Amino acid sequence: ETGVTQTPRHLVMGMTNKKSLKCEQHLGHNAMYWYKQSAKKPLELMFVYSLEERVENNSVPSRFSPECPNSSHLFLHLHTLQPEDSALYLCASSQTHDRVDTQYFGPGTRLTVL
Amino acid sequence: GNSVTQMEGPVTLSEEAFLTINCTYTATGYPSLFWYVQYPGEGLQLLLKATKADDKGSNKGFEATYRKETTSFHLEKGSVQVSDSAVYFCALRTGGGNKLTFGTGTQLKVEL
Repeated sequence: ETGVTQTPRHLVMGMTNKKSLKCEQHLGHNAMYWYKQSAKKPLELMFVYSLEERVENNSVPSRFSPECPNSSHLFLHLHTLQPEDSALYLCASSQTHDRVDTQYFGPGTRLTVL
Repeated sequence: GNSVTQMEGPVTLSEEAFLTINCTYTATGYPSLFWYVQYPGEGLQLLLKATKADDKGSNKGFEATYRKETTSFHLEKGSVQVSDSAVYFCALRTGGGNKLTFGTGTQLKVEL
């Protein structure tokens, strides 16, 4: 049990659907992250929230929209996705106090876009 | 920019064999180095870390030494088990930022 939960674990959606991924951390951390994991590619950092403010957005298409209502919850709103967006989406959290903070990952949401 | 290079997998070993997964990096400054493990159907878990040159991280029989002179952080285990079958990711972080740079991952398969 890593203390970071993600729902749903699996999601299949059409290109015209709107859905949301949810992440919750129970570790008292102050930073949260979204990553995309595709086969045979390094993990891609999508968004970083620190103290509920977005501090990084790595040129992610606008069809992905993050939301961080408080330090324990993070959402990724999806709309008009493409088949190449199919991947495992991982959420992580950390306590950013110095250079050795460790990121704790959730189990991921396996997304398939038809 | 920062980058991490890992040996391509899959690596297939017999139980009790010696494991080495190579990892080299390019970074500005003095990075912290990490190994994460991902078991089938799960997210990433921190396996071990090292924050300065010559540090050795260790956990669950795995170890890795931060070698600044060769910019490497190779993962080793003396005797692997079937339960070690997973994907292993090397990663680094520099400065006080939040961003981790990951390698592409190396799949390990351990057979009886």
